[in-house]
Amino acid sequence: EIVMTQSPATLSVSPGDRANLSCRASQSVSSDLAWYQQKPGQAPRLLIYGASTRTTGIPARFSGSGSGTEFTLTISSLQSEDFAVYYCQQCNNWPLTFGGGTRVEIK
Amino acid sequence: QVQLVQSGAEVKKPGASVKVSCKASGYIFTVYYIHWLRQAPGQGLELMGWINPNSGGTKYTQKFQGRVTMTRDTSITTAYMELSGLRSDDTAVYYCAKTLTGYDDDGFDIWGRGTMVTVSS
Repeated sequence: EIVMTQSPATLSVSPGDRANLSCRASQSVSSDLAWYQQKPGQAPRLLIYGASTRTTGIPARFSGSGSGTEFTLTISSLQSEDFAVYYCQQCNNWPLTFGGGTRVEIK
Repeated sequence: QVQLVQSGAEVKKPGASVKVSCKASGYIFTVYYIHWLRQAPGQGLELMGWINPNSGGTKYTQKFQGRVTMTRDTSITTAYMELSGLRSDDTAVYYCAKTLTGYDDDGFDIWGRGTMVTVSS
C-alpha cells in the first residue's frame, strides 16, 4: 500500500497570503494525484486531479504541481472561504490512499 | 444536476449490520464507478472499496474484506454498502463518491453528503 504523507499538519496563514501544501508518496504515483478540500460538516470537494488539472469551477488561485513522489498544492492568495482541511489522494495503485490532511487556519 | 443522495443516520448495537444507500441522479449511473469511504470523528478519509454499477463487480480493501458487501439496483440508480459485525470503532461518517471518469482508479468528483453511523451499546 502506498503511504501518502502531508506536511505540515497545520498551516497558519493570513488572508491574502500564499500557502504551499506538500504531499509525498512512499513510491512513485506518476501524475495520478488528486487534491480535495473539506470544510467542517461537509463532504470533500475535488479541487485538482492529474496532479495539476483544476476541476470545473475551481478558482485559478488553486494550482497543483509535481510528479512521481513529490506534490504541492498552492493557494496563491488565501480567501476566507479557503480555510479548511486539504487532502491528497493517490490514484495510481490499489488501494487508493489518502494523506492525513493539512489544516489551513487563520493566522 | 449530478448528485448522490445518501440515506439517513443510523444507530446500531455492536455486532449488528448497517446498510447505507446512495441514490444517483443527473448522469448515466452505469458509466461511473461508485466508491465507498468513511471518516471517523476528527480523522482522515479511508477507502472501503468500489462497485461497478454496470457489471455489479466489486473490489474491497483488505481491511474490510469479509465484512462489507456493495451492491446496486440499476432500476432505481442506487448503490448500497452493507457493513456487518459492527464495532465501536466503525462509528464514522460513510460517504459514497462517483469517479471522475469511467475508470475505477480516479479522483472522486461527486460525493454524497455522508451518513453518520454510530455503534453503541
